[in-house]
Amino acid sequence: QKEVEQNSGPLSVPEGAIASLNCTYSDRGSQSFFWYRQYSGKSPELIMSIYSNGDKEDGRFTAQLNKASQYVSLLIRDSQPSDSATYLCAVNEPYNTDKLIFGTGTRLQVFP
Amino acid sequence: DAGITQSPRHKVTETGTPVTLRCHQTENHRYMYWYRQDPGHGLRLIHYSYGVKDTDKGEVSDGYSVSRSKTEDFLLTLESATSSQTSVYFCAISEDRGEKLFFGSGTQLSVL
Repeated sequence: QKEVEQNSGPLSVPEGAIASLNCTYSDRGSQSFFWYRQYSGKSPELIMSIYSNGDKEDGRFTAQLNKASQYVSLLIRDSQPSDSATYLCAVNEPYNTDKLIFGTGTRLQVFP
Repeated sequence: DAGITQSPRHKVTETGTPVTLRCHQTENHRYMYWYRQDPGHGLRLIHYSYGVKDTDKGEVSDGYSVSRSKTEDFLLTLESATSSQTSVYFCAISEDRGEKLFFGSGTQLSVL
């Protein structure tokens, strides 16, 4: 059973702090990794993709990938109340790359 | 939402009745997906399509069928709805296999 694991949270951080969201995956063959943000009652939207070990930065967001340890993380710097949402980690199914496997998501709460 | 329209947005139906959900895209993307989202389970793939008349099953395909007769339309049919199929259904599109998905607004389906 291929799995993507996330802590469901909620993760509560004060405004201006760094929020750190983590995700582990079970299959070493996965090559593509994504973070989606989902506001309550809305559809998921893609915020980051990462394919190589290391860090990838986009504005206040940094995705980190460590294939040896099979984890991917998302850092949100200078967290804002508008960042309060559920963050979904997604990983491609290695032997059928048409498919993405999603984690159950981590709920982030940023308080003023 | 990146040229994706789901219809209906809300539907209430009775156990045993057939239901069809429609996904329409204007992006001319090859890949289309149907997911369901339930508390505690995250997004789970029902079926997907990799071209006109080309479809494949996801992890929760039992009780569902799909059809894609045109690039822009992907239909999800519940042949005989059950209460366990009460869920939020999302359609997603992708230009490349298993890559960045763009989601529709979702359909809230209630089976009584």
